[in-house]
Amino acid sequence: QVQLVESGGGLVKPGGSLRLSCAASGFTFSDYYMSWIRQAPGKGLEWVSYISSSGSTIYYADSVKGRFTISRDNAKNSLYLQMNSLRAEDTAVYYCARDHHGSDPWGQGTLVTVSS
Amino acid sequence: EIVLTQSPATLSLSPGERATLSCRASQSVSSYLAWYQQKPGQAPRLLIYDASNRATGIPARFSGSGSGTDFTLTISSLEPEDFAVYYCQQRSTSFGGGTKVEIK
Repeated sequence: QVQLVESGGGLVKPGGSLRLSCAASGFTFSDYYMSWIRQAPGKGLEWVSYISSSGSTIYYADSVKGRFTISRDNAKNSLYLQMNSLRAEDTAVYYCARDHHGSDPWGQGTLVTVSS
Repeated sequence: EIVLTQSPATLSLSPGERATLSCRASQSVSSYLAWYQQKPGQAPRLLIYDASNRATGIPARFSGSGSGTDFTLTISSLEPEDFAVYYCQQRSTSFGGGTKVEIK
């Protein structure tokens, strides 16, 4: 079955970096756009970034532009999010999702906490 | 940047009642609007894509309508498992603030 599994979350100090990974299985990963979406504790959903199937088209939310980098390795069926210059307001559960007529499915999420 | 505004923020209804949720875009998104359901501690689940198409496995009591800037998600008769938070999203980017459907 289609499955997405995020990893790489954890506790990091303000200004630090973290790299999230999303392992995909059960579908032809290289055929699909992919997204990162986050949710701060007790808050709503915030779209972060998406990448086209080949990786040639990338968009970011203004809130992360210049600090976060999305990438993918189609040979490894994996999606990544490199997060630099992290701030307290980046604290959230980060989800990866497959994009095709909406985001579906979503992974279970990985928690990133930015705190000193 | 397109802003999505959902209303109401909270909807208090009883099981069996009809729920009508609204999502308004600050500029036209054509029919590129999706709806999601999220329950506590779970990832969101896609309900509706392209404004009016039910995702795989979604019950027929869920329906979506609208185009341009005004969209509606309707739950024809609330089941106990439908009490949750609902979000709209445009073109796989920005989300609305959500509507919580709670038990009255």
